[in-house]
Amino acid sequence: NAGVTQTPKFRVLKTGQSMTLLCAQDMNHEYMYWYRQDPGMGLRLIHYSVGEGTTAKGEVPDGYNVSRLKKQNFLLGLESAAPSQTSVYFCASSLTGLDTEAFFGQGTRLTVV
Amino acid sequence: GENVEQHPSTLSVQEGDSAVIKCTYSDSASNYFPWYKQELGKRPQLIIDIRSNVGEKKDQRIAVTLNKTAKHFSLHITETQPEDSAVYFCAASRRGGFKTIFGAGTRLFVKA
Repeated sequence: NAGVTQTPKFRVLKTGQSMTLLCAQDMNHEYMYWYRQDPGMGLRLIHYSVGEGTTAKGEVPDGYNVSRLKKQNFLLGLESAAPSQTSVYFCASSLTGLDTEAFFGQGTRLTVV
Repeated sequence: GENVEQHPSTLSVQEGDSAVIKCTYSDSASNYFPWYKQELGKRPQLIIDIRSNVGEKKDQRIAVTLNKTAKHFSLHITETQPEDSAVYFCAASRRGGFKTIFGAGTRLFVKA
């Protein structure tokens, strides 16, 4: 039982490049989330999904897109990376909603130069 | 908008002392308050949580208290050990809501 797995773990992008972060969970969770973590700012929600085929914007969605074509996968895309998107990205999932424990992936450290 | 304030941002204690981290929330409909521990370079992991129908919850050296009237909740760690050193996040959310709001985090140092 792997839990929540993110790929890649590290990435360096040049400004303007695109990339996709993959999150996979094997716990049959309905809810999935993408957060970014910046020093002194805690975890900020980028986008989330309440089930297969659904996505919604969080607190800081600009510059990102997501897709949830399969229940177990939640993809985060950066179409044109900017230095302001340098951050650590965490995916998380929870069973039934926001009043249950969230399980986090191991994080992706992204640097945009 | 909804927010969660967490204090202090940094806390340094001597091994064996107690540590207290406090959070306040703005959404009066919040009913679930988890605490996550993040060790250096690792993922956040749940250490304890409390729901709004409970005032206090304990798990060994860790306890959480909730004051719904004042809209604040606290994490208490007793007999701290060096392995307690980490960043701790509080959070608030509610059933039917669409996001969990995290505090900015408290970096706890436990000196041996």
